[in-house]
Amino acid sequence: AQSVAQPEDQVNVAEGNPLTVKCTYSVSGNPYLFWYVQYPNRGLQFLLKYITGDNLVKGSYGFEAEFNKSQTSFHLKKPSALVSDSALYFCAVRPNMDSNYQLIWGAGTKLIIKP
Amino acid sequence: NAGVTQTPKFRVLKTGQSMTLLCAQDMNHEYMYWYRQDPGMGLRLIHYSVGEGTTAKGEVPDGYNVSRLKKQNFLLGLESAAPSQTSVYFCASSYRGNYNEQFFGPGTRLTVL
Repeated sequence: AQSVAQPEDQVNVAEGNPLTVKCTYSVSGNPYLFWYVQYPNRGLQFLLKYITGDNLVKGSYGFEAEFNKSQTSFHLKKPSALVSDSALYFCAVRPNMDSNYQLIWGAGTKLIIKP
Repeated sequence: NAGVTQTPKFRVLKTGQSMTLLCAQDMNHEYMYWYRQDPGMGLRLIHYSVGEGTTAKGEVPDGYNVSRLKKQNFLLGLESAAPSQTSVYFCASSYRGNYNEQFFGPGTRLTVL
């Protein structure tokens, strides 16, 4: 079965330190990959996506993500964390050969940035 | 542009009552989706629509019905609410194509007693 794993329920990082939120997937073919962020009591916001090309993609709020095909991973990164980055982060994958238009979602990782 | 809006924001129902959640988007998106979000379970797709007049089942469609009579609106109905339907419901929309990101509404918090 196709799936997306976010192995850490919670990640704690000190402000100013680099952060990584991990995502791995098990999907056939070459999927499209997405990261979304959810602030408390808000809807999800799109951060960035990988479609094709350069394995390092840049997105909103200084975030970037690295696609690794051999490891089937798409980890979210930021060089210097801010307290305001504290939120819930979701990885999502869409098989590009799949015609049912559905995203496969990870369970989410809570990111806590401590001052 | 308002983006994706949802009404109502909060609702409390008694078991067996019915209600309709309304989603509206002003971005001329072809695709629309209804999700539910429960603690520790991420997002689960209830129903989706790839165009006006068409709908399809997602991962957890039981107990819900949808309609998309106009391109900009996507309605989610609960005919006979159950406590298991207590959740936060999100609507989303996107342009046609599997590579396009989804835009989300602010959510509706539903409690079924």
